[in-house]
Amino acid sequence: DVKVTQSSRYLVKRTGEKVFLECVQDMDHENMFWYRQDPGLGLRLIYFSYDVKMKEKGDIPEGYSVSREKKERFSLILESASTNQTSMYLCASIQGAGGANVLTFGAGSRLTVL
Amino acid sequence: GENVEQHPSTLSVQEGDSAVIKCTYSDSASNYFPWYKQELGKGPQLIIDIRSNVGEKKDQRIAVTLNKTAKHFSLHITETQPEDSAVYFCAASKDNAGNMLTFGGGTRLMVKP
Repeated sequence: DVKVTQSSRYLVKRTGEKVFLECVQDMDHENMFWYRQDPGLGLRLIYFSYDVKMKEKGDIPEGYSVSREKKERFSLILESASTNQTSMYLCASIQGAGGANVLTFGAGSRLTVL
Repeated sequence: GENVEQHPSTLSVQEGDSAVIKCTYSDSASNYFPWYKQELGKGPQLIIDIRSNVGEKKDQRIAVTLNKTAKHFSLHITETQPEDSAVYFCAASKDNAGNMLTFGGGTRLMVKP
């Protein structure tokens, strides 16, 4: 069964801390995404990656960076967490060109910044 | 860029009734419209999708309709059951491959037994 795993389900951090959110997929998917989910705003794309070491900005990249050193792993980094980054973060992956176009999500990481 | 609006934000129905969720999109180049269901504590899961070359698609109790001229699409759930209770998201994309989805704000559906 296709699986996207987000290692941390709940995190509580302090303002100014560096935060790492990790995501691993076991489907050999080429494309991976980080979304932020807030009530009433739906899912907003932060960053995505089409290949190892490759990254592209989404709609709301400010305050975030990403890393993709291996095909199966895509990390979201908050260099200096702020309270307005308190949110649910969802990782997703999809096969890519020529593959089945079903975006598969992880269960989410709920981050609280105090 | 694309903008997707979704209504209503919450919907409460009696078990067995139908539920309809509506979305509008702004970019006429969008050609792929999936619907995702998010149950409590889980990530969103694709439940049905439609491409711009068809006007309607059905899968058991769920159906999606698309009106390209008016730039809106809707999710219809018939004979609702308590397990249909969840948050539903519509989305739109131009690349026909599920990438670069723009999501609506979500609808919390509650089915009362």
